[in-house]
Amino acid sequence: KAGVTQTPRYLIKTRGQQVTLSCSPISGHRSVSWYQQTPGQGLQFLFEYFSETQRNKGNFPGRFSGRQFSNSRSEMNVSTLELGDSALYLCASSSSGGNTIYFGEGSWLTVV
Amino acid sequence: GESVGLHLPTLSVQEGDNSIINCAYSNSASDYFIWYKQESGKGPQFIIDIRSNMDKRQGQRVTVLLNKTVKHLSLQIAATQPGDSAVYFCAEIRPNNAGNMLTFGGGTRLMVKP
Repeated sequence: KAGVTQTPRYLIKTRGQQVTLSCSPISGHRSVSWYQQTPGQGLQFLFEYFSETQRNKGNFPGRFSGRQFSNSRSEMNVSTLELGDSALYLCASSSSGGNTIYFGEGSWLTVV
Repeated sequence: GESVGLHLPTLSVQEGDNSIINCAYSNSASDYFIWYKQESGKGPQFIIDIRSNMDKRQGQRVTVLLNKTVKHLSLQIAATQPGDSAVYFCAEIRPNNAGNMLTFGGGTRLMVKP
């Protein structure tokens, strides 16, 4: 059974640009969450989607958005990139609430 | 504010010894806890979880202990190996309307000396 798959693994963007990251959850998992990991702030929750609906949202500005498709795949988008958005973006999936949560390898975003 | 925190940022142990990584949480209503291991350049890897109706759970070479009285969580690794070197995070799911929103501690770096 394949794990959580994230693409791309590495990318470099310029300030002001926008970026879209993709996540394919474990087969059968309907919950997809996104986290940002930085050395200074650690792992911070961005948002969670379940059955194409945003179920939880963290304390990030509106430049950070996401969506989930009917096959449970999810994308997150960051618009008007800032240098501080450089981070490892992690996707996690779970079958439903209160069950084990598995992470992907992440997408490394560098904003220059 | 409420948070999940770790007592030690770095733990150095001798290969073959047992390791204990600690974590404190502040929300007494938290009902589900997970330990993750993160190696350099990789995503967090699930190690073991425990629910608030339990005080101990064992896996392969790992044991998680939950003390709800003092809101403390620990991860014990038996016979620590070089491959155990990584950063370990505890995370909690706080009860809310629904869903999987993890709140992470700051992490503890485990270094295993050969």
